[in-house]
Amino acid sequence: TQLLEQSPQFLSIQEGENLTVYCNSSSVFSSLQWYRQEPGEGPVLLVTVVTGGEVKKLKRLTFQFGDARKDSSLHITAAQPGDTGLYLCAGGRGAQKLVFGQGTRLTINP
Amino acid sequence: DADVTQTPRNRITKTGKRIMLECSQTKGHDRMYWYRQDPGLGLQLIYYSFDVKDINKGEISDGYSVSRQAQAKFSLSLESAIPNQTALYFCATSDSSSGHTDTQYFGPGTRLTVL
Repeated sequence: TQLLEQSPQFLSIQEGENLTVYCNSSSVFSSLQWYRQEPGEGPVLLVTVVTGGEVKKLKRLTFQFGDARKDSSLHITAAQPGDTGLYLCAGGRGAQKLVFGQGTRLTINP
Repeated sequence: DADVTQTPRNRITKTGKRIMLECSQTKGHDRMYWYRQDPGLGLQLIYYSFDVKDINKGEISDGYSVSRQAQAKFSLSLESAIPNQTALYFCATSDSSSGHTDTQYFGPGTRLTVL
């Protein structure tokens, strides 16, 4: 059973377009993290959200934690080829280990 | 220097061979993890350790074993490698004192091919 479901699993769009990636669960998490993994490297943390309804911005990336702390979204404005990679969401519950989603593979075509 | 290092970075081996992948960290973190990643897919947890005397199975521990030699070192062994263990393996660390966020820091990965 996948506790965190990401959608879409694959997304290929043109440079300049906007996109949204979703991370959904039936479980409540105390925190939600987003990681990005580039080819040949390990995942790197982009952001952590901890409060229901919280919105964080990282340049053209906007992250939101659902009010009930069961879901999250990542919105990219005016996507660029450098945004290409695997995006992973991960849910935390206090002292317990993180639970990772299966990832969204994003390709931005020039 | 990298905070989380993995050796080797690449390894090709034959079916039935014993393989050890090593992970070292200089971050001073108490928690360490081993993940497997298959092409185009996310991360699957193999084993994790919350401190030197603590070892826990993850989602896919069959065919693998681990050893936490010290707080800074966590090794993964394949006792008898098989072709479907061909994958990218990542080590990660986290700090339990960071509260409820438990951010994980990943090594660069080891690409393992079993022929």
